[in-house]
Amino acid sequence: NAGVTQTPKFQVLKTGQSMTLQCAQDMNHEYMSWYRQDPGMGLRLIHYSVGAGITDQGEVPNGYNVSRSTTEDFPLRLLSAAPSQTSVYFCASSRWTSGNDEQFFGPGTRLTVL
Amino acid sequence: GQQVMQIPQYQHVQEGEDFTTYCNSSTTLSNIQWYKQRPGGHPVFLIQLVKSGEVKKQKRLTFQFGEAKKNSSLHITATQTTDVGTYFCAPKVGNTGFQKLVFGTGTRLLVSP
Repeated sequence: NAGVTQTPKFQVLKTGQSMTLQCAQDMNHEYMSWYRQDPGMGLRLIHYSVGAGITDQGEVPNGYNVSRSTTEDFPLRLLSAAPSQTSVYFCASSRWTSGNDEQFFGPGTRLTVL
Repeated sequence: GQQVMQIPQYQHVQEGEDFTTYCNSSTTLSNIQWYKQRPGGHPVFLIQLVKSGEVKKQKRLTFQFGEAKKNSSLHITATQTTDVGTYFCAPKVGNTGFQKLVFGTGTRLLVSP
């Protein structure tokens, strides 16, 4: 199993550009989520999904869109990049049953917005 | 919204000393997870606590969930340089069916040899 994969590893954007961060998992996990981590800070939840076709907002959803058309993929779209979105983005997945919902994280995407 | 604070924010210890980080919530939690993130890495799951007053051990790590399920702690006995990293608590919040995992502010641990 590859676990949780994220692409790209690094990205530089100009203000106003849009892009999609890719996330995929091969563990058949129901739950997937996106976090951002700013330097020296904790992780803040952007959006999450409890299954294909079901998404919801986290703590900091503004400026980001998600969709979940398959169990495996959960892309994160930046609509119009802003310097405040410079961060490291982590995707995570897990089962979503009590007692067995360890989150598996991808390696992260380091995004810089100029 | 859900407030989860961790203290201390940062701790620097000598190898062999003990270390404790505390996680405090403003509301009662259904369960709580703990993660470790090495510098430059991604968070890695350590444990999940579900029951009031629960205590779990993993070698030198001891995890506790408070009786009121509003706080939790992670204690490391005799730290080693491999314990360096940031430790996060992460409670699951929300209603059944739409719960989400939010992370505490984290405690960064530095261990000097």
